[in-house]
Amino acid sequence: GAVVSQHPSRVICKSGTSVKIECRSLDFQATTMFWYRQFPKKSLMLMATSNEGSKATYEQGVEKDKFLINHASLTLSTLTVTSAHPEDSSFYICSARSGEGGNQPQHFGDGTRLSIL
Amino acid sequence: GDSVTQMEGPVTLSEEAFLTINCTYTATGYPSLFWYVQYPGEGLQLLLKATKADDKGSNKGFEATYRKETTSFHLEKGSVQVSDSAVYFCALRDPGNQFYFGTGTSLTVIP
Repeated sequence: GAVVSQHPSRVICKSGTSVKIECRSLDFQATTMFWYRQFPKKSLMLMATSNEGSKATYEQGVEKDKFLINHASLTLSTLTVTSAHPEDSSFYICSARSGEGGNQPQHFGDGTRLSIL
Repeated sequence: GDSVTQMEGPVTLSEEAFLTINCTYTATGYPSLFWYVQYPGEGLQLLLKATKADDKGSNKGFEATYRKETTSFHLEKGSVQVSDSAVYFCALRDPGNQFYFGTGTSLTVIP
């Protein structure tokens, strides 16, 4: 079946570093990708929705300049956490969907655990 | 590894019909189980959850019971409404806090 590969699965880095997380659809064209963040002991929070070739749509309260999203191709979206700080430590997960509308299945990556020291 | 399998959609029901969306899981440990809902144009929202065997999660008329013996967490609602039209995702969270999602089941409720 369709697979979404998210890389890296775990990152530990120093404060001030920028970290890039990749989300790839391996056997389908992902016209829409979603990025989520999970806060400790809480549910997932949608950060942004990206459509291939256009700017991402960010949810209220999510800093666009902090969390840069690029969806340059139908198989790859990247999330870059710029100048990361300890409060950015979290579990980030992407999902990808082909085509338009909710009838299309949505496939999730395995997530990235980001730890900022 | 851990995984979640849910029934494929799309599902179309008339208003006030009974809804069941099946979900089964595979896990090596003792996961928590979730149902998320995604309304058109929006991201995931937590619908309900259960953290241990025999727990029943419920919200907005939806229910799901954590069945360890059948490794299932089926979503049910006795009488659906047009406003329930959405995509529903079953998910598990392992003890290491990693999520595994099903691929979603699209529900359309017609008046």
